[in-house]
Amino acid sequence: SQTIHQWPATLVQPVGSPLSLECTVEGTSNPNLYWYRQAAGRGLQLLFYSVGIGQISSEVPQNLSASRPQDRQFILSSKKLLLSDSGFYLCAWSVSFADTNEKLFFGSGTQLSVL
Amino acid sequence: EDKVVQSPLSLVVHEGDTVTLNCSYEVTNFRSLLWYKQEKKAPTFLFMLTSSGIEKKSGRLSSILDKKELFSILNITATQTGDSAVYLCAVEGIGSGTYKYIFGTGTRLKVLA
Repeated sequence: SQTIHQWPATLVQPVGSPLSLECTVEGTSNPNLYWYRQAAGRGLQLLFYSVGIGQISSEVPQNLSASRPQDRQFILSSKKLLLSDSGFYLCAWSVSFADTNEKLFFGSGTQLSVL
Repeated sequence: EDKVVQSPLSLVVHEGDTVTLNCSYEVTNFRSLLWYKQEKKAPTFLFMLTSSGIEKKSGRLSSILDKKELFSILNITATQTGDSAVYLCAVEGIGSGTYKYIFGTGTRLKVLA
């Protein structure tokens, strides 16, 4: 069965420090991968998505970047964190053109606090 | 620009009440609309809707889609304290090379005993 791993679960970083969040998927090949951010009390904002290795689509211009060095690995990075980068980050995956009821599967999330 | 709007933003009810949550959308090449419940961490899947007028039902929860008016509702009858959560609506639409999922701001529901 497919599983998605996301780490770390919580992270406290000072302003100006770098960031690297990692997400890996097991049990499927060539998944679509997504990074979302959720500010406190808000909905999920789509940050990046990827259909394959090295292919990244950005939804919102900001202080973050994403990379997909392997088929089932998705990394969210920043060179210098801002206070406004604080939030709950969720990685998710889906199968291209899936025709099933549940098609978007989430990791357990990373709570990032930038101080 | 793709957009999903949910209302109300928050709602407080008493156990046994019925609630209706709303989701309206504008999206390129609509494929489906999904409802999720988020209690603490990752959202959990509730329903996927693709056709207008066909109600999806699971226990006390039900949902319907209107593709002409571009909205969906999620109904919860006989609410319980365990229904307290953020309810998220997402729309699947065309992206670069695949479909992407755009979420609304969510409705925060609190059910009082």
